[in-house]
Amino acid sequence: QAVVTQEPSLTVSPGGTVILTCGSSTGAVTSGHYPYWFQQKPGQAPRTLIYDTGNKHSWTPARFSGSLLGGQAALTLSGAQPEDEAEYYCLLFYSGDGGVFGGGTKLTVL
Amino acid sequence: QVQMVQSGAELKKPGASVKVSCKASGYTFTDYNLHWVRQAPGQGLEWMGRINPNSGSTKYDQKFQGRVTMTRDTSINTVYMELSGLRSDDTAMYYCATGTGFHLGQGSLVTVSS
Repeated sequence: QAVVTQEPSLTVSPGGTVILTCGSSTGAVTSGHYPYWFQQKPGQAPRTLIYDTGNKHSWTPARFSGSLLGGQAALTLSGAQPEDEAEYYCLLFYSGDGGVFGGGTKLTVL
Repeated sequence: QVQMVQSGAELKKPGASVKVSCKASGYTFTDYNLHWVRQAPGQGLEWMGRINPNSGSTKYDQKFQGRVTMTRDTSINTVYMELSGLRSDDTAMYYCATGTGFHLGQGSLVTVSS
C-alpha cells in the first residue's frame, strides 16, 4: 500500500507564508489523486479545507490555497494567523486501492 | 447545504460488533461515494473504505477487510458502517464523509472496553 508523507512539524511567523507538502511513495502526486487537505485544532473534529487539489469550501479562509508543486500536493498558507495553529492532514486517492492519509503536519504560528 | 448526521456514541465489549449510521442531506444521495474515516485518541486520520450508494459496491482498506461492512438504504439516504470483532484499539471517533468535497459528519465515538 502507498505511503503518504508530510512534514511532521512546521513553524511560521504571524503574517508569514508557509507551504505544507504531501508526497506519495508511488511517485508524483497528480490531480488524479484528488488531493484533500484537512485542518484539525486540538479537541475539535477535523474539517475539510481543500478538495480535488485546489477547490475551497465556503468556510475555507482565503489565505489557504491548494496546488501541485514539484510532484507533490501543496497547501499554502499566506498571511498566517494565530488561529491557524493546528494539525493538517492530506488525503490521496489511488485507483483500485482507495484512500491514504498522510501522518499530519503540526503547524505552529510563532 | 450538505449535511451528514451520524448516530450517537456506543460502548461495546471486546469481540462485539458496532453499527454506525450516517444520514445525508442537501445533495443527491446516489450521485457520490460515501467514505468512512476514523481517528483513535491522539492518533491521525485513517481511511476505512467507501460505498457507492447507487450500486452498493464497496472498497475497503486492507486493514479492515473481513471486519468491516458498509451498506446503504437509499429510501432514507443513509449509509451504515458495521465493524465486527471489536478490540480495544478500535476505540475511536468514526466519521462519514461525502465523496464530493468530503463534507464530514459530526463523528460517532465508539468505545471498546470490558
